[in-house]
Amino acid sequence: DQQVKQNSPSLSVQEGRISILNCDYTNSMFDYFLWYKKYPAEGPTFLISISSIKDKNEDGRFTVFLNKSAKHLSLHIVPSQPGDSAVYFCAASAKGAQKLVFGQGTRLTINP
Amino acid sequence: KAGVTQTPRYLIKTRGQQVTLSCSPISGHRSVSWYQQTPGQGLQFLFEYFSETQRNKGNFPGRFSGRQFSNSRSEMNVSTLELGDSALYLCASSLQGPSTDTQYFGPGTRLTVL
Repeated sequence: DQQVKQNSPSLSVQEGRISILNCDYTNSMFDYFLWYKKYPAEGPTFLISISSIKDKNEDGRFTVFLNKSAKHLSLHIVPSQPGDSAVYFCAASAKGAQKLVFGQGTRLTINP
Repeated sequence: KAGVTQTPRYLIKTRGQQVTLSCSPISGHRSVSWYQQTPGQGLQFLFEYFSETQRNKGNFPGRFSGRQFSNSRSEMNVSTLELGDSALYLCASSLQGPSTDTQYFGPGTRLTVL
């Protein structure tokens, strides 16, 4: 049972434009959500997180939106830069569960 | 502050052997988690330790085990290796646990089983 789903395996965006990565979840107990970026042969790097008490969190070029009624999470990157090309994972955690549940990842390619 | 370190970075074993992977968390972090990443499967949770106690375990066979030491360093062991155990094994640490704090990942150990 895939509780966290990233339905787009890949996404291609032009440099300078907005990149929007999407994530859906099914477990209503999830209350903490994160996005990680991963380059080949490296561990995931934390990007941004959001608690279920908020619907938006910004950090520089990165903004995460949470729609609890739709059980939907999105990451906006603006403007997109070549260095943003990587695999992006969304992850979720339920209070007290002490584990993260990850999506399958979306490979983002930024074209010059 | 030094990040999460994992040793070794690469490992080649044959079926039936056992392997031990090591993880040193960020200084001050007491929670250590382990994940397995295989192509097309994303990151699958193995187990989480806090103050030498396993608090949660993923859906993996008993061949996969782990432990945490008093200095928060952690090891995971896989016995009777199978071809399907070939994967990137990732360790992550956080202050109190992944439900409340951000987890920071190490570079991983790439295990190849022949």
